Amino acid sequence: EVQLVQSGAEVKKPGESLKISCKGSGYSFARYWIGWVRQMPGKGLEWMGIINPIDSDTRYSPSFQGQVTISTDKSINTAYLQWSSLKASDTAIYYCARLFRMGIIDYWGQGILVTVSS
Amino acid sequence: NFMLTQPHSVSESPGKTITISCTRSSGSIASNYVQWYQQRPGSSPTTVIYEDHQRPSGVPDRFSGSIDSSSNSASLTISGLKTEDEADYYCQSYDSSSPWVFGGGTKLTVL
Repeated sequence: EVQLVQSGAEVKKPGESLKISCKGSGYSFARYWIGWVRQMPGKGLEWMGIINPIDSDTRYSPSFQGQVTISTDKSINTAYLQWSSLKASDTAIYYCARLFRMGIIDYWGQGILVTVSS
Repeated sequence: NFMLTQPHSVSESPGKTITISCTRSSGSIASNYVQWYQQRPGSSPTTVIYEDHQRPSGVPDRFSGSIDSSSNSASLTISGLKTEDEADYYCQSYDSSSPWVFGGGTKLTVL
């Protein structure tokens, strides 16, 4: 069974750094791109970026370029999303998702609530 | 780049049929596949339609998808509505510069 299991909820202060994770299981992790999606409170879905675990080819949405870093460690079937300096406006749920082919999501993680507050 | 526009909300009674539209602002709706995702309250999204009209295993055949080039739009149709279908529905497509373009979402209320 394909699963994407994300790390737990986080509460951080503005200016702090954060790295959240998404571990794939039940399939060959390196064969499928992984992406990250943001959902701000009460709002819709926004794509942030995608990464190819084989060669770490990464593409960012212009809205998130320079704001976050996406990476993977294919030795442990895990993708990451990180911030160097969080802002209150980063408060949101972050989902990872598997691309079964370019542009098409077939599996989603359970989401991680990140709360940034002083 | 293009946008996908959905109605903000729709409502219908149990047992009825509802159709949710998704209109592409530029470029042909037929040029890239359209997907539909269901997000129940408090849950992560799940894929209900991919490649315009394909259903993942486990999705009931009450869910169907289509595209209409004349209106440059895609549609998600749910027949035999159940209260469990109450959710937000998002359409999504892509192009060469954006792997994912999401519609704004439609809140379905099953009265």
